[in-house]
Amino acid sequence: NAGVTQTPKFRVLKTGQSMTLLCAQDMNHEYMYWYRQDPGMGLRLIHYSVGEGTTAKGEVPDGYNVSRLKKQNFLLGLESAAPSQTSVYFCASTLPGRADSPLHFGNGTRLTVT
Amino acid sequence: DAKTTQPNSMESNEEEPVHLPCNHSTISGTDYIHWYRQLPSQGPEYVIHGLTSNVNNRMASLAIAEDRKSSTLILHRATLRDAAVYYCILRDVAGGTSYGKLTFGQGTILTVHP
Repeated sequence: NAGVTQTPKFRVLKTGQSMTLLCAQDMNHEYMYWYRQDPGMGLRLIHYSVGEGTTAKGEVPDGYNVSRLKKQNFLLGLESAAPSQTSVYFCASTLPGRADSPLHFGNGTRLTVT
Repeated sequence: DAKTTQPNSMESNEEEPVHLPCNHSTISGTDYIHWYRQLPSQGPEYVIHGLTSNVNNRMASLAIAEDRKSSTLILHRATLRDAAVYYCILRDVAGGTSYGKLTFGQGTILTVHP
């Protein structure tokens, strides 16, 4: 099993450009999440999904959109990138309804917006 | 979400035990205590979790105070590979409207000296 795979691993954007980050999981998990991590800080939740076709806002959703067209994929979009969106983005997934089920994280996408 | 408090940093020597404390005085009866760690340039990884009783697994042990207001993650013999940021996180048993989301603090930076 690959677990949670994020693509791309690195990306540099110019202000105003758009891009999509892809997260794929092969564990048949219902719940998926996008977090961002800024230097020296813990992770903050951007958006999450509790099943195919559903999405919801997290703690810091502004400037991002998401889609969950297939159960195994969760896409994070930046329509018009800003320098404040320079960060490391992590995707995670887990089983629903069980607080003892751990989250599985990908290894991150490092995004720089100039 | 109930909040946790951890020291900003701790140091250890290789091959010695490490005790990482976490205070969670406002923990509710339905909160699991989860620990994750984040190695440099990687996503967080699950370490251990518990509800009321002490827990052991191949990575670590979790000691939970009788009143559940604090807990300690124990690494029995620290290795250089254990140098990471360790996060103590509370997670509701029932899931409910939290939908499995984790709220990360800043964690404890563990430095292991050879």
